[in-house]
Amino acid sequence: DSGVTQTPKHLITATGQRVTLRCSPRSGDLSVYWYQQSLDQGLQFLIQYYNGEERAKGNILERFSAQQFPDLHSELNLSSLELGDSALYFCASSVAAASAQTDTQYFGPGTRLTVL
Amino acid sequence: GQQVMQIPQYQHVQEGEDFTTYCNSSTTLSNIQWYKQRPGGHPVFLIQLVKSGEVKKQKRLTFQFGEAKKNSSLHITATQTTDVGTYFCAAHSGSARQLTFGSGTQLTVLP
Repeated sequence: DSGVTQTPKHLITATGQRVTLRCSPRSGDLSVYWYQQSLDQGLQFLIQYYNGEERAKGNILERFSAQQFPDLHSELNLSSLELGDSALYFCASSVAAASAQTDTQYFGPGTRLTVL
Repeated sequence: GQQVMQIPQYQHVQEGEDFTTYCNSSTTLSNIQWYKQRPGGHPVFLIQLVKSGEVKKQKRLTFQFGEAKKNSSLHITATQTTDVGTYFCAAHSGSARQLTFGSGTQLTVLP
């Protein structure tokens, strides 16, 4: 158990819909990262938040957005869903000191999204 | 953007055989991290290498960082069925804040 929690575990929805994935980081971690993992794909970095502010952005679609709240939990919003958005979505957290580059990332169990 | 190439994509070995996965980058890396993802699980941090030429061992696992800090390898000696999973390397380069993951090597160990 990494200490990172994600809800829901599974989500099945239809094309065109909007969903929200939730993540609670490990106690004391200020950074939250979101990744997408499709079948046979590696981990694609989407976005990072540090202490409530966006810190780094990857290949995140405009239909996707995220935020980190004052209590440090984060939500990833996916809208106008397409079949190709079906994937595992992982949240990770780290302490994220100023340099950030030597941080270890602790991954949550993931949310499996299926778009029908 | 930065790319980290990882090979092979798949590897099947007989239990007791050795296994190696390689990561290569065209740019100098600040550090490299290795993660393991069991089937149906989430990535779990294994180790981080920072120094040029660094070698670290964890029981049967040996991690190396190249002298030029552009490549890395993970070697498992005498694989066991518990080693099954996908091994990912991940790296920062320059001042990049995001961690770029390799495509992973999926290891199957046949009993």
